[in-house]
Amino acid sequence: AQRVTQPEKLLSVFKGAPVELKCNYSYSGSPELFWYVQYSRQRLQLLLRHISRESIKGFTADLNKGETSFHLKKPFAQEEDSAMYYCALRGGYNFNKFYFGSGTKLNVKP
Amino acid sequence: AAGVIQSPRHLIKEKRETATLKCYPIPRHDTVYWYQQGPGQDPQFLISFYEKMQSDKGSIPDRFSAQQFSDYHSELNMSSLELGDSALYFCASSLGSRNTGELFFGEGSRLTVL
Repeated sequence: AQRVTQPEKLLSVFKGAPVELKCNYSYSGSPELFWYVQYSRQRLQLLLRHISRESIKGFTADLNKGETSFHLKKPFAQEEDSAMYYCALRGGYNFNKFYFGSGTKLNVKP
Repeated sequence: AAGVIQSPRHLIKEKRETATLKCYPIPRHDTVYWYQQGPGQDPQFLISFYEKMQSDKGSIPDRFSAQQFSDYHSELNMSSLELGDSALYFCASSLGSRNTGELFFGEGSRLTVL
């Protein structure tokens, strides 16, 4: 069953505009959620994790258990934010299984 | 800094052939994960290893097998290859079983089955 859903394949915004990348999940138990990012010609890398409640590169994400969502937000998008963003959920018997969404390509236009 | 190394980067095989992909984790990392990403699809979790033992299993076909060796590198063996096995195979590593959740990914091995 699909565990992580990213409904938008592509999101285009202008520089300086707010951006929100949507992520919904289904999981029984307490989820651990992450956002990973892949910049052009680079490896997939961790952007942020919900348990850290951190802001990385101006991005934040709040876990909403009622709506089972973990949307990624940034108030003012920059051109260098253009990348592929993947939402991920950790689970599995030994907690060593990460489910990734299908990804959203963010294109920030000048 | 040393990153996760995957080899080969590109591989072309015929149907029904066998392929082996290798993954060398970051030094001291003891956990390895394998993912398969078909064209336009999400990365699908195949299998993970912790301390040379299988940790979690995902949608890995029976034709595939994997193991983690004493030096912590891992190999994914794929037999009786099918056209649908054409994909980008990612390996990732981390430190510890209950780690922070930060996976370090390799650049991937692209398998093309003709």
